[in-house]
Amino acid sequence: QKEVEQNSGPLSVPEGAIASLNCTYSDRGSQSFFWYRQYSGKSPELIMSIYSNGDKEDGRFTAQLNKASQYVSLLIRDSQPSDSATYLCAVNRGAQKLVFGQGTRLTINP
Amino acid sequence: DTGVSQNPRHKITKRGQNVTFRCDPISEHNRLYWYRQTLGQGPEFLTYFQNEAQLEKSRLLSDRFSAERPKGSFSTLEIQRTEQGDSAMYLCASSLGTQPEAFFGQGTRLTVV
Repeated sequence: QKEVEQNSGPLSVPEGAIASLNCTYSDRGSQSFFWYRQYSGKSPELIMSIYSNGDKEDGRFTAQLNKASQYVSLLIRDSQPSDSATYLCAVNRGAQKLVFGQGTRLTINP
Repeated sequence: DTGVSQNPRHKITKRGQNVTFRCDPISEHNRLYWYRQTLGQGPEFLTYFQNEAQLEKSRLLSDRFSAERPKGSFSTLEIQRTEQGDSAMYLCASSLGTQPEAFFGQGTRLTVV
């Protein structure tokens, strides 16, 4: 079992809809969770971090964490074509060393 | 620009040659990380420094790879006797030890021919 698992997609969502991205992790002791966005050929860009159970909202983005289920999700409201990218879920395994999932490729269709 | 800076952005080298990459972290960040990313995969941790001390190396980091951060500021990653399997994006990230977030540079794309 991989430490961090994501559905690789591609996930296709119409413009204006809600995109829902999911991630599971295996280490129950994990405390910090991150979502990075990566455009093709570019480096990962941090968009959300979450540390406590529940929801965290930042603009059109909402991160959700359920430690009991070892599950992290990212919701993107009012999806825009510029949101088309690969979204990487990452878990901090100490000293900010990150373990990444393989990423979910998201396409927003105009 | 106060972000993480990596040079060169692209490197094409022949198999067997040595290459060196440089990373300049965000100025106040004391932790620096190297990751490798291949197509269709997430980044994989290679090694990290706290100030000038290299504190952890992944099993992915074979003895052909060496990293340094001599004065606790910029870092270099050297690959000796490159192989085609070394072709990847090499990413550098930095963080402030008191904060949980890490920020990535633009990466160096290595192609070994």
